[in-house]
Amino acid sequence: EIVLTQSPATLSLSPGERATLSCRASQSVGSSLAWYQQKPGQAPRLLIYDASNKAPDIPARFSGSGSGTDFTLTIFSLEPEDFAVYYCHQRSNWPPYTFGQGTKLEIK
Amino acid sequence: QLQLQESGPGLVKPSETLSLTCTVSGGSISSSSYYWGWIRQPPGKGPEWIGSFYYSGYTYYNPSLKSRVTISVDTSKNQFSLKLSSVTAADTAVYYCARHGDFGMVIRHDNWFDPWGPGTLVTVSS
Repeated sequence: EIVLTQSPATLSLSPGERATLSCRASQSVGSSLAWYQQKPGQAPRLLIYDASNKAPDIPARFSGSGSGTDFTLTIFSLEPEDFAVYYCHQRSNWPPYTFGQGTKLEIK
Repeated sequence: QLQLQESGPGLVKPSETLSLTCTVSGGSISSSSYYWGWIRQPPGKGPEWIGSFYYSGYTYYNPSLKSRVTISVDTSKNQFSLKLSSVTAADTAVYYCARHGDFGMVIRHDNWFDPWGPGTLVTVSS
């Protein structure tokens, strides 16, 4: 099973700042990694797929990069609605598909 | 627009079987190249994939849950169901259904879990 480790667990920033979230896989997943955003009481929402592709209707300030075992989600110039929990997810080696434990992005 | 909706009891007793149904609207469960899955999320934790199926009958499960899980489909109702047996408090979670695809080497957003249903909280307690 591929374990995804996200860091930091919590990130405190202010609107307008840049957020950098990391996801490390226990073995290579190539580019088969996605990022999801989850707000309280809602289902996860797909942001980035195949490491660097934006899902439909996702704002340009969201960007994904990386390959192999190290991946980054960058949010340029945070908006108030971006404060949420973010999860990475791999579908390279299954079963099982796996998710990270999440990074909580909170307002400073 | 494709929508999924989970339904079922919100409270299950320990050692009993958890049963949930996902109703799909705006699209067909029998669509080629699409799989349908169950994912759960314990309070305060990351999501955990439970299992998925293809309308032809192919199913595959998370090895950690395989002995207790059954996913079935009713194409006439455009629904699919989850049964998880011998539940304990550790099975308390929000349960989601979601669609994902398999388009081979083609990079598409719908290869991934998208969309999801809104989720339903299932608590295991006596």
